[in-house]
Amino acid sequence: AQSVAQPEDQVNVAEGNPLTVKCTYSVSGNPYLFWYVQYPNRGLQFLLKYITGDNLVKGSYGFEAEFNKSQTSFHLKKPSALVSDSALYFCAVRDHYTGFQKLVFGTGTRLLVSP
Amino acid sequence: SQTIHQWPATLVQPVGSPLSLECTVEGTSNPNLYWYRQAAGRGLQLLFYSVGIGQISSEVPQNLSASRPQDRQFILSSKKLLLSDSGFYLCAWTPGLGDSEQFFGPGTRLTVL
Repeated sequence: AQSVAQPEDQVNVAEGNPLTVKCTYSVSGNPYLFWYVQYPNRGLQFLLKYITGDNLVKGSYGFEAEFNKSQTSFHLKKPSALVSDSALYFCAVRDHYTGFQKLVFGTGTRLLVSP
Repeated sequence: SQTIHQWPATLVQPVGSPLSLECTVEGTSNPNLYWYRQAAGRGLQLLFYSVGIGQISSEVPQNLSASRPQDRQFILSSKKLLLSDSGFYLCAWTPGLGDSEQFFGPGTRLTVL
């Protein structure tokens, strides 16, 4: 079965510093990977996805993620964090075996950016 | 452009009362539709998904049911709510074909007292 792991419950970073939110995956076959962000009492917003192609994927709000097949990782990064980036971040992998676009989500990582 | 709506935004219901949450999608046709529950602001649990009118698949046994009476309408229901049904309910959709991401609605906060 497909799965993703987000090993950190919370990541703390100072504004202006680079940030990394970690995600590792376990899939059979080629992975389809996604990152979402959730602000309090809101739905999830799509940030970026990896389907195929370049290992470095650029997304919304200055975020990017690097697909690393050998390490089975898909870490989310941003060169310079903003206080407004503070939110809950979810990594997800698409399940290929159900015949449609079912996503399996990680448990989420809370990002706190301090001024 | 496509939009997804959920209502109500918040709901407080007594234990044992019925439930009906509605989700509608605009600007697309034949979407795949999904209901998730998020407990305690963390992980998402897929409850139901639908690939067409009247076609519902359940992911976990529970006190809830889903229906899709129209192409772009997805309803989450319960005959008798339990305390454990409290949570944040999210509806999502994807185009019927392709490798698209899921698009989420704004959510409904349900509190069962």
